Amino acid sequence: DIQMTQSPSSLSASVGDSVTITCRANQIIRSHLNWYQQKPGKAPDLLIFGASNLHTGVPPRFRGSGSGANFTLTIRNLQPADFATYYCQQTSTFPRTFGQGTKLDMK
Amino acid sequence: QVQLVQSGPEVQNPGASVRVSCKTSGYTVLPYKITWLRQAPGQGLEWMGWISGDNSQTEYTQKLQGRVSMTTDTSTRTVYMELTSLRFEDSAVYFCATETLVRGAPYYYYALDVWGQGTAVTVSS
Repeated sequence: DIQMTQSPSSLSASVGDSVTITCRANQIIRSHLNWYQQKPGKAPDLLIFGASNLHTGVPPRFRGSGSGANFTLTIRNLQPADFATYYCQQTSTFPRTFGQGTKLDMK
Repeated sequence: QVQLVQSGPEVQNPGASVRVSCKTSGYTVLPYKITWLRQAPGQGLEWMGWISGDNSQTEYTQKLQGRVSMTTDTSTRTVYMELTSLRFEDSAVYFCATETLVRGAPYYYYALDVWGQGTAVTVSS
């Protein structure tokens, strides 16, 4: 199975800040990397697919980049609704695997 | 709009089985891949497997092989996930989601774009 490692596991920031979350695969997954946002008690929402493609309705403050085995999610100008947990997921092979999550909370 | 609506919370004893349903609506044809995932309290997301909308293909995670099965009732457009021989560590919120081939740049990519609301399963004696 492909292992996905996210860092940091938690992050504190303020409204208006920019933050970056990284995700590393232990094998090459080309650009088959998605990012999801999850709020407490809710199902995750797709943010970015194919490493850098914004899902419909996702504001351009979210930016995904990377290919191969190293990826980043950057959120600029943090808004109150952005404080949540973020997961990366590889879809290069089965079983699909996720990073352990990064909890972003308000400083 | 497309929706996945899951069945309600379950409480089961260790060793029992649980079946969770996921009813699709708003699709003209059943989604090709419906995925099941789970999330233990305070933990991350775990991929369990997927089933095709026409009930012809399944793939399960090795970890749950022999205990999990997924089926589709095409007449009611409902997908089911059954987990047997329940253990305390199976307590989690179970999600269904459609894995869709989404057009990106420069290729198409698979992503979980529509999710059910989640079903809490508690294993307790």
